[in-house]
Amino acid sequence: KAGVTQTPRYLIKTRGQQVTLSCSPISGHRSVSWYQQTPGQGLQFLFEYFSETQRNKGNFPGRFSGRQFSNSRSEMNVSTLELGDSALYLCASSWRTGLEQYFGPGTRLTVT
Amino acid sequence: KNQVEQSPQSLIILEGKNCTLQCNYTVSPFSNLRWYKQDTGRGPVSLTIMTFSENTKSNGRYTATLDADTKQSSLHITASQLSDSASYICVVNNDMRFGAGTRLTVKP
Repeated sequence: KAGVTQTPRYLIKTRGQQVTLSCSPISGHRSVSWYQQTPGQGLQFLFEYFSETQRNKGNFPGRFSGRQFSNSRSEMNVSTLELGDSALYLCASSWRTGLEQYFGPGTRLTVT
Repeated sequence: KNQVEQSPQSLIILEGKNCTLQCNYTVSPFSNLRWYKQDTGRGPVSLTIMTFSENTKSNGRYTATLDADTKQSSLHITASQLSDSASYICVVNNDMRFGAGTRLTVKP
């Protein structure tokens, strides 16, 4: 069974731009969660989607948004990029909320 | 203050030795606790997940324990291997309260 895939793997953007990251969960998984990982803050939870509905949300500004499609694929969008948004963005999927999560390889975003 | 504290921050051990990593949490109510292993530059990989009613769970050479009364968990690694070098992250509950992780280095 294929694992969680994330695209793109690496991305360089300029301050003020916006970016969209994509995540394809493991087949059959309906829950997709997004995380930000930085050296200073570690791993932080962004949000979780299940059946196209946002179920949980972390403490991030409204510039960070997401959505989930009917095939469970998810996208995360960050608008008006700031230097501090440079991070590894991880996506994880599971059958449903509360069960074991499987992480993708991440998207490394660099904001210059 | 982080509601999930891990110790030590980093640890260096010799190949073949055992080690124990600690996770203390203040998150309430408590639902579940997960241990993840993260190799550098890669996504975390789940090692164990325990609910409040479980005391011990093993995954090969990894054994996690949970004391929900004292709000403490530990991850014991037996007969360490070079490939165990990674960050080990403790995560509490479904809204994913992360610890800062323990960076383990296993030396030959």
